[in-house]
Amino acid sequence: QVQLVESGGGVVQPGRSLRLSCAASGFTFHDYSIHWFRQAPGTGLEWVAVASADGTIKFYGDSVKGRFTVSRDNSNNVLYLQMSSLRPDDTAMYYCAREPRSSVGGPSAFYFDFWGQGTLVTVS
Amino acid sequence: QSALTQPASVSGSPGQSITISCTGSSSDIGGYSYVSWYQQHPGKAPKLMIYEIGNRPSGVPARFSGSKSGNTASLTISGLQAEDESDYYCCSYKSPDSYVFGTGTKVTVL
Repeated sequence: QVQLVESGGGVVQPGRSLRLSCAASGFTFHDYSIHWFRQAPGTGLEWVAVASADGTIKFYGDSVKGRFTVSRDNSNNVLYLQMSSLRPDDTAMYYCAREPRSSVGGPSAFYFDFWGQGTLVTVS
Repeated sequence: QSALTQPASVSGSPGQSITISCTGSSSDIGGYSYVSWYQQHPGKAPKLMIYEIGNRPSGVPARFSGSKSGNTASLTISGLQAEDESDYYCCSYKSPDSYVFGTGTKVTVL
């Protein structure tokens, strides 16, 4: 079955860096775009970044652009999120999720069908 | 990026129908058919409930349905059940190349 498992969260001081991982199994990893999301305590969901199936196309949310970098290792079925210049408002649960391929062809379906359980990042 | 607007809370008795609205703009909801809805129980990961405005993934009960009119999308739960008590978030593709979520709605089953 499809599984996504995040890791790498923890407590980090403002201005420091942290790398999150999202390990995938149960599907052909290199066929799918994978996204990062976050949810600050008691608040709603926020889209963070996406890496295309082959890792060549990447987009970022405005609040992390220039500070976070998404990458993937398709040989080992892992997505990464390198976070730098961390701020207290980056404190959140970070989730990865899979974007299905379009039902009519093309790489993007514009929704997210499987999510990991999240890893907590605290910047303090 | 401004979040899509959802009511903070909606409630209903078992068996009743409720509707959650999600209002955006022409650059997100109004411009695309890429609206999805997610259910999130406390401490759990989001779960896909509706995609492409009104499509249900396999395993999601038929009492969940979605629609869109202009810049507003809606999720309707017909025949509310106790297990539907949860937080619900809408999401839309937003031009260019990003996604925006709603503010979230807490559904309470009375």
